[in-house]
Amino acid sequence: AQSVTQLDSQVPVFEEAPVELRCNYSSSVSVYLFWYVQYPNQGLQLLLKYLSGSTLVKGINGFEAEFNKSQTSFHLRKPSVHISDTAEYFCAVVDRGSTLGRLYFGRGTQLTVWP
Amino acid sequence: DTGVSQDPRHKITKRGQNVTFRCDPISEHNRLYWYRQTLGQGPEFLTYFQNEAQLEKSRLLSDRFSAERPKGSFSTLEIQRTEQGDSAMYLCASSVASGRVSVNEQFFGPGTRLTVL
Repeated sequence: AQSVTQLDSQVPVFEEAPVELRCNYSSSVSVYLFWYVQYPNQGLQLLLKYLSGSTLVKGINGFEAEFNKSQTSFHLRKPSVHISDTAEYFCAVVDRGSTLGRLYFGRGTQLTVWP
Repeated sequence: DTGVSQDPRHKITKRGQNVTFRCDPISEHNRLYWYRQTLGQGPEFLTYFQNEAQLEKSRLLSDRFSAERPKGSFSTLEIQRTEQGDSAMYLCASSVASGRVSVNEQFFGPGTRLTVL
């Protein structure tokens, strides 16, 4: 079984500051890793994904994440945030061997960017 | 590409009533997923269709829940005899199966927010 832990439920930061949203996972099998963003009253949008290869992956809106297999982590980072980045962020995993692609999500981290 | 659409966006009902939600996936997507998201939690998997076949159901999907996808196009999720614990956001997602299916991006709709009074 897979589980995803997002260590911070809320992260407040000031505009133009760097931010890191933490994600750890637990799985008995190899997984693919994802970060999704959810703006108020909207569905989830894919930010980035790690499938294989370089452990540093870049996504949309200037976000990047680094896969650390030994620490089973996939932390999301942005060097300088904007007010428009205020949203809920979800880390998710998929079993590599899955034939249906079921996503397992963390509880989410609310990022609030203040002016 | 108009994206995944869901109807209604909001539904308020009284306990014990039946409700039905609709999801229209992206037209060429043959895979369709339903997730439920309660306050303060991430989405949880409910069920999955490939074309018109329902291939997996979560234990969260009690016998009061039923989902269909006639003709492999739109899907409906019905909840009978609603309970206050059913209050949640119901999300639909679709993807296209090709190659290693588990890596295919799931595109999410805006969700239907259900409130059971």
